Parts: sequence; structure tokens; C-alpha cells
Amino acid sequence: DTGVSQNPRHKITKRGQNVTFRCDPISEHNRLYWYRQTLGQGPEFLTYFQNEAQLEKSRLLSDRFSAERPKGSFSTLEIQRTEQGDSAMYLCASSLAGRGGYTFGSGTRLTVV
Amino acid sequence: AQKVTQAQTEISVVEKEDVTLDCVYETRDTTYYLFWYKQPPSGELVFLIRRNSFDEQNEISGRYSWNFQKSTSSFNFTITASQVVDSAVYFCALSEGAGNTPLVFGKGTRLSVIA
Repeated sequence: DTGVSQNPRHKITKRGQNVTFRCDPISEHNRLYWYRQTLGQGPEFLTYFQNEAQLEKSRLLSDRFSAERPKGSFSTLEIQRTEQGDSAMYLCASSLAGRGGYTFGSGTRLTVV
Repeated sequence: AQKVTQAQTEISVVEKEDVTLDCVYETRDTTYYLFWYKQPPSGELVFLIRRNSFDEQNEISGRYSWNFQKSTSSFNFTITASQVVDSAVYFCALSEGAGNTPLVFGKGTRLSVIA
């Protein structure tokens, strides 16, 4: 397994457009997390899944954000009607519930112009 | 509510100096995990250490060492004989409970090691 994979690595979009990011976790990991990191800040939790069930959503996750993990494997994070404030690095991580640490992907950097 | 504070925003040292990065955490849980991650300029988060709340033994790994003190809610990280390759942003993080709940990160400390 090559770790957590995120695509695309970079995305530039115009304000108001919708964007979707994909995360492929480590195959045996049943938990998947999404974080957002803005410049000069630590990663902030957005939401996480155990298998296909979304267990928790942060208050940061406005109505314009939606995340899915339909078959308990890969996950997508969609942002509708993007705003300039959505510009950030979006990080995905996976883990095995109750064991070990968290493995992070390289992130998707979103720029809204 | 859980919280992680890294009071040092930026630290600059000369190569071969020792440097300590501070981390103070807040939690009401008796069971929790503490982590340190390194984020080099390339952006990925690199796992350094995971420590559970019941294990206060200090740990050493090569030039890295960690000092966990529950009495002061601190989990400090020391790099001995720093090298230019240590230049990065370092994050301390906390996970409450025993079951891989979401991490809460500090704001990070940017370390610059000058040759």
C-alpha cells in the first residue's frame, strides 16, 4: 500500500464554481478524516467516517460542504459555490479505529480566484 | 473542550544547537493520545510520535526526545544537535478517548535551522 492518496494536488477555481476532491485511504483503514489547513495555522477538523458512516461534522463544515464515503473505501469532499475564504489545503487522513496513528495524504491545495 | 497550545510561533537556531518545542494541552478525558507531526515545505504531515495518557515515560529516538508531564499538561519535543533538514513546521496534536477520534492540532511552531 502506498499510503493515503489525494487528488488533485492543486485546484484553481473561480468563485462560485463547485469543486470535488478525492481521498483514497490505506486499504485496511476503516476511519477517514478530512481537515482544512489555512496559511500559518494547524489543520482543523472538518468531518470523519467509520466505514461509510459519517460520525461527526465540525461547525466549520457549512451547508456548502458535503462529504461522502459511499462504499467505505475512498471519500469525496465537495464544496459548492466556492468563496475566496475556502482557499486552503484540504488534508485527508486514515486510521484503524482503536489502533495506531493517523496517516495523512499530501493534501489538495485549493485556490479560489 | 480539548485544546492544544503551541506558544512559540517561530524559532530560529544555528545548526548543532539544541532546541525545545513546547506543547501544552487541555482535556477533560483521562484517556487520550498526544502526537507530534512534522510538516516540511513540501506540505505533507509526517508522523513523529504517539504517546498515550497512561505512559509518562520520556522517549528518545535518535536526535529527538519527548518529555511528557501530566502534572503540567505538557508534551515537549527536543531536537538535539539540530540540522538544516530539521527546518519545518512542527505540530502537536491531541486525540481524546481510546478510539482514534479526530485530532485537534496546535497552531504549529516554525523551526528554522541556519547553517
